Amino acid sequence: DAGVIQSPRHEVTEMGQEVTLRCKPISGHDYLFWYRQTMMRGLELLIYFNNNVPIDDSGMPEDRFSAKMPNASFSTLKIQPSEPRDSAVYFCASSLGRRQPQHFGDGTRLSIL
Amino acid sequence: EDQVTQSPEALRLQEGESSSLNCSYTVSGLRGLFWYRQDPGKGPEFLFTLYSAGEEKEKERLKATLTKKESFLHITAPKPEDSATYLCAVQGLETSGSRLTFGEGTQLTVNP
Repeated sequence: DAGVIQSPRHEVTEMGQEVTLRCKPISGHDYLFWYRQTMMRGLELLIYFNNNVPIDDSGMPEDRFSAKMPNASFSTLKIQPSEPRDSAVYFCASSLGRRQPQHFGDGTRLSIL
Repeated sequence: EDQVTQSPEALRLQEGESSSLNCSYTVSGLRGLFWYRQDPGKGPEFLFTLYSAGEEKEKERLKATLTKKESFLHITAPKPEDSATYLCAVQGLETSGSRLTFGEGTQLTVNP
């Protein structure tokens, strides 16, 4: 079975550029989550969707961050403009139902120079 | 606010040397406690879900247990391939829907 698929796996870009991270959840899952992982803060939830609708975006750090889920099989996390402090590993996860375990992709390692 | 504290931060074992990892949590009503394993360069891999105190789950050399304040991940006769970071997360009844709060993890190294 295909798991959660994220792209790109690595992204290096210069400060001020727009960055778009992509995620394809597991087919049939109705919840999608975006996380950020850093050494300092660990794994933090940024935003999550239920049936393509954003439910909780309280973890989104600033207005520079935005996320969309245009359909059940695709989501994007966009940073514009990017800053060096945005450097982290960004994970997408999906689950079938609210109480079910979340299954993670292998992440996008983002470096902002 | 839900809180999760994992200990120790790092643990080094010899192959075959059993031990336990601890996850202490504070939630206003526990909806579920989750254990994950994370290998370098990979996303967290789901291991177990525990829902109520007294519950236990097992998978190969791993056994997870739950009390009202903490969870333990017992590793019996570990092998080098068990080396990874183990993450604990809680989902509280009063937190937003499906939000998980993760601990900082325990980095386990098993030497041959």
